[in-house]
Amino acid sequence: AQTIHQWPVAEIKAVGSPLSLGCTIKGKSSPNLYWYWQATGGTLQQLFYSITVGQVESVVQLNLSASRPKDDQFILSTEKLLLSHSGFYLCAWSLGGREQYFGPGTRLTVL
Amino acid sequence: GDSVTQTEGPVTLSEGTSLTVNCSYETKQYPTLFWYVQYPGEGPQLLFKVPKANEKGSSRGFEATYNKEATSFHLQKASVQESDSAVYYCALSGLSGGSNAKLTFGKGTKLSVKS
Repeated sequence: AQTIHQWPVAEIKAVGSPLSLGCTIKGKSSPNLYWYWQATGGTLQQLFYSITVGQVESVVQLNLSASRPKDDQFILSTEKLLLSHSGFYLCAWSLGGREQYFGPGTRLTVL
Repeated sequence: GDSVTQTEGPVTLSEGTSLTVNCSYETKQYPTLFWYVQYPGEGPQLLFKVPKANEKGSSRGFEATYNKEATSFHLQKASVQESDSAVYYCALSGLSGGSNAKLTFGKGTKLSVKS
């Protein structure tokens, strides 16, 4: 069975500090991978998607970047956090079908 | 671009009563429609999908019919339970940017069920 793991579970960071969030998918070969952001009490907004290793496409510009260094790993990062980056970050996967399956998420608080 | 509009929450119901969450959408593509459910502190879970017009999806007693003419996909359940308390999202997926099956979500409807 496939599993999706996100790390860390939660982060509290200062404005201007760097950030790296990770996501690992096990049990699926060459999945499509996605990053979403959810403001507290808000809806989900797609940030990035990746069809294959080394290729990442940006959907919205939020001063964030993403990379896919391995087939089963997706990284979200920034060198300088803003207050507006606070929220819930979700990684998702699909296998070419339109349904996407979400991970448990990382709660980010920027102070 | 694509858009999804759903019932504004929060919605509070008593156990055993019926639920309807309205969802309407706009897209120039031929979408696949979904309902997701999100419990506090967790990622959304796929409730069910309906890829074809005029077909019904269902799971855990919830159901919705993809009405292409009305561009609607309302979620219904005949008798809600306290365990159904969660946020429900209507979403559509249309292919964009080549291979990106982008999900566009509604704003979510928070359901609270009282015993």
